[in-house]
Amino acid sequence: GNSVTQMEGPVTLSEEAFLTINCTYTATGYPSLFWYVQYPGEGLQLLLKATKADDKGSNKGFEATYRKETTSFHLEKGSVQVSDSAVYFCALLSGSARQLTFGSGTQLTVLP
Amino acid sequence: SAVISQKPSRDICQRGTSLTIQCQVDSQVTMMFWYRQQPGQSLTLIATANQGSEATYESGFVIDKFPISRPNLTFSTLTVSNMSPEDSSIYLCSVTAGETEAFFGQGTRLTVV
Repeated sequence: GNSVTQMEGPVTLSEEAFLTINCTYTATGYPSLFWYVQYPGEGLQLLLKATKADDKGSNKGFEATYRKETTSFHLEKGSVQVSDSAVYFCALLSGSARQLTFGSGTQLTVLP
Repeated sequence: SAVISQKPSRDICQRGTSLTIQCQVDSQVTMMFWYRQQPGQSLTLIATANQGSEATYESGFVIDKFPISRPNLTFSTLTVSNMSPEDSSIYLCSVTAGETEAFFGQGTRLTVV
């Protein structure tokens, strides 16, 4: 079946530090890959996505590249801000399953 | 794209009571999905709701506890029955479009006291 393995948290960084949150997946076929963000007390928001190999999703300074050879979709940001403090979820959508499979989530705290 | 209206957005309920959550989609969709997010946890799929047939439940979830209705292609309800404090969670409905899009309601934040 499908699964998503996400970097264990929590992650604490200083403002302007470089961020990487690792995500690897197992899926049948060619899934679409997503990063969602959940700010404190709020709902789930789509951050970025990629639908085929070598695609790069980007939004708000965050990037992730769909690497089929390593089955990975790591989230990166060159310079984090305090406002980026949130929980980040990696997820995949496989055509056979039709529903999203989520990773365990990574809590990010950025200190001023 | 799809816009999902979910309500209520939050509620505080007494143990032993039931709460029905509604999701309305602005377009017709074949499948709707219901998720639970327990405090500090990831999202877990409760069930898949298809119009015209019984919902398909994931392991650990049963119809008596989480009955689902799907009367048409744009609407679904999830009921959390005989609630206990352990049911305090965020409940979300979702739809997908093909293999590349997924949309969520804003979620229902439930607290059982």
